[in-house]
Amino acid sequence: DAKTTQPNSMESNEEEPVHLPCNHSTISGTDYIHWYRQLPSQGPEYVIHGLTSNVNNRMASLAIAEDRKSSTLILHRATLRDAAVYYCILRARGSNYQLIWGAGTKLIIKP
Amino acid sequence: GEEVAQTPKHLVRGEGQKAKLYCAPIKGHSYVFWYQQVLKNEFKFLISFQNENVFDETGMPKERFSAKCLPNSPCSLEIQATKLEDSAVYFCASSRVRGTEAFFGQGTRLTVV
Repeated sequence: DAKTTQPNSMESNEEEPVHLPCNHSTISGTDYIHWYRQLPSQGPEYVIHGLTSNVNNRMASLAIAEDRKSSTLILHRATLRDAAVYYCILRARGSNYQLIWGAGTKLIIKP
Repeated sequence: GEEVAQTPKHLVRGEGQKAKLYCAPIKGHSYVFWYQQVLKNEFKFLISFQNENVFDETGMPKERFSAKCLPNSPCSLEIQATKLEDSAVYFCASSRVRGTEAFFGQGTRLTVV
């Protein structure tokens, strides 16, 4: 299974953009890149996913490198409610559709 | 319902006792997934269902763990003869279509003493 590497933790100031990196150098051509986040004492929450092109939704943007070996989740204007553990996950297309979780990045937002 | 409902929120069992966890997926979602979160950040896939059929059970410790999704009933995950190492938060998730956004419940915290 392809794996992802993320920093253990990151800090950011409130109301500033946050760029959360993820390395996935062993990604295959059919792996989707998913991002979920887990707020304290809650279940994971879907953020965004993509395959090759950059993606935007109301929560965030996903920038995928041209070689697809890395990606960046962008929160355009972080709030205190965005403090969570962010997981970058690869999901193999045509597979059993289970998510293979890494250790995630703990995002700390400073007021 | 519009959210995945897991019950109970907390469950305490003595070692060797049985534990049963329940999950009501979002109405209209065909896929149900069970994950185990042992340490703070580590998630382990257990099993998935497509409607009432097992889709993938590669993560299940088959000796003591079993799961079902029957029509018109919540899905269930049962652990026979619990061990200390089964202490974890168990999350259920559902999705409408295979491979799309999964919606997670709030989890059941199982403590084996």
